[in-house]
Amino acid sequence: GAVVSQHPSRVICKSGTSVKIECRSLDFQATTMFWYRQFPKQSLMLMATSNEGSKATYEQGVEKDKFLINHASLTLSTLTVTSAHPEDSSFYICSAHTHKGDDEAFFGQGTRLTVV
Amino acid sequence: AQKVTQAQTEISVVEKEDVTLDCVYETRDTTYYLFWYKQPPSGELVFLIRRNSFDEQNEISGRYSWNFQKSTSSFNFTITASQVVDSAVYFCALSRYNQGGKLIFGQGTELSVKP
Repeated sequence: GAVVSQHPSRVICKSGTSVKIECRSLDFQATTMFWYRQFPKQSLMLMATSNEGSKATYEQGVEKDKFLINHASLTLSTLTVTSAHPEDSSFYICSAHTHKGDDEAFFGQGTRLTVV
Repeated sequence: AQKVTQAQTEISVVEKEDVTLDCVYETRDTTYYLFWYKQPPSGELVFLIRRNSFDEQNEISGRYSWNFQKSTSSFNFTITASQVVDSAVYFCALSRYNQGGKLIFGQGTELSVKP
């Protein structure tokens, strides 16, 4: 299967600072990338959909000014959590999707964010 | 609206027992994909299977098997002769046919296999 690399895998930051998470498709071009969030002991919830070269589409209840998504190339999307607070502590995971071939999406390893 | 329900929050079994994880879904689409993922404590999602709605054949892969019943909107997952390494959270998910990357996840079932 295709490889999606997400970095960092873990990050601890102070309240009020911003954190950037990268999602890279290593061996294919991802026309669309998805960002999910998972609170402890809960399911994965879609936060936003990003298409290369255009603005991200956010799910209801997700603050677009707080979770900035940039999909500047076909292999890289970034999620920036701005002015992070302890309630933003969560597991963030991306998936990269190509419309070619088998219409599959491939997940990154996830990023565990802790805001102290 | 699309929805996935995994009614079993936690299951505990003893090694070598068979265990079935239930998944019921709701969709108005006639074509769609169904998935199962395994999430070990490390957090990454391990892909197990993707099934399209055209194909109702059951599938077996080693100790894993899946039972897709369109009539009851269910896609159950059975692990035969469970092992301690099977301990994880298992997620069932659904996507629309032309949105293969946009998944709606169930709540997950935490499986604990004790030696």
